[in-house]
Amino acid sequence: KQEVTQIPAALSVPEGENLVLNCSFTDSAIYNLQWFRQDPGKGLTSLLLIQSSQREQTSGRLNASLDKSSGRSTLYIAASQPGDSATYLCASSGSARQLTFGSGTQLTVLP
Amino acid sequence: KAGVTQTPRYLIKTRGQQVTLSCSPISGHRSVSWYQQTPGQGLQFLFEYFSETQRNKGNFPGRFSGRQFSNSRSEMNVSTLELGDSALYLCASSLTSGYTYEQYFGPGTRLTVT
Repeated sequence: KQEVTQIPAALSVPEGENLVLNCSFTDSAIYNLQWFRQDPGKGLTSLLLIQSSQREQTSGRLNASLDKSSGRSTLYIAASQPGDSATYLCASSGSARQLTFGSGTQLTVLP
Repeated sequence: KAGVTQTPRYLIKTRGQQVTLSCSPISGHRSVSWYQQTPGQGLQFLFEYFSETQRNKGNFPGRFSGRQFSNSRSEMNVSTLELGDSALYLCASSLTSGYTYEQYFGPGTRLTVT
């Protein structure tokens, strides 16, 4: 059974810093890995999807990498802004035909 | 293109009642999945529907059921509500089944059981 872990659970940084969020998974036989953002009380916004054959994906200030052999993905946020404050979730999909989510990293960017 | 919509956004029900939640996927998407989010358990998969057929089911009791219509809209039903059913219920749509495509989530329905 796939297990997804995100460390740290919470992170607070000053505005302008570059930061890395970590995601690890136990079963490397994944179809893809998806990063989401969730604002308090709201739904999930898809940020980046990395297919199992890919090593990384970029969108604006966001860059996500995938290393299946080590069971790790990272989300890099460049030049963080207060508007980036949210909970970031990673989720893997595979033969179980569902998304398995980590518990999330709550990010606070201080002005 | 309109996103995933869910109705209602908020619901308050009493223990023992039943509730129906609705989800309209992105136009052209045929797969709809449902997830429950609670502070204690995080996000947990309920079920997936594709072409009006349930393709996969999570580890939830039979009180949780769903269906999909020919226009891909989906409903989930929870009968005999319990306090522990209080949660944010999220639906996600995707082009097709199999979870190889990107999942797009709606804003959720916040269910409170008193």
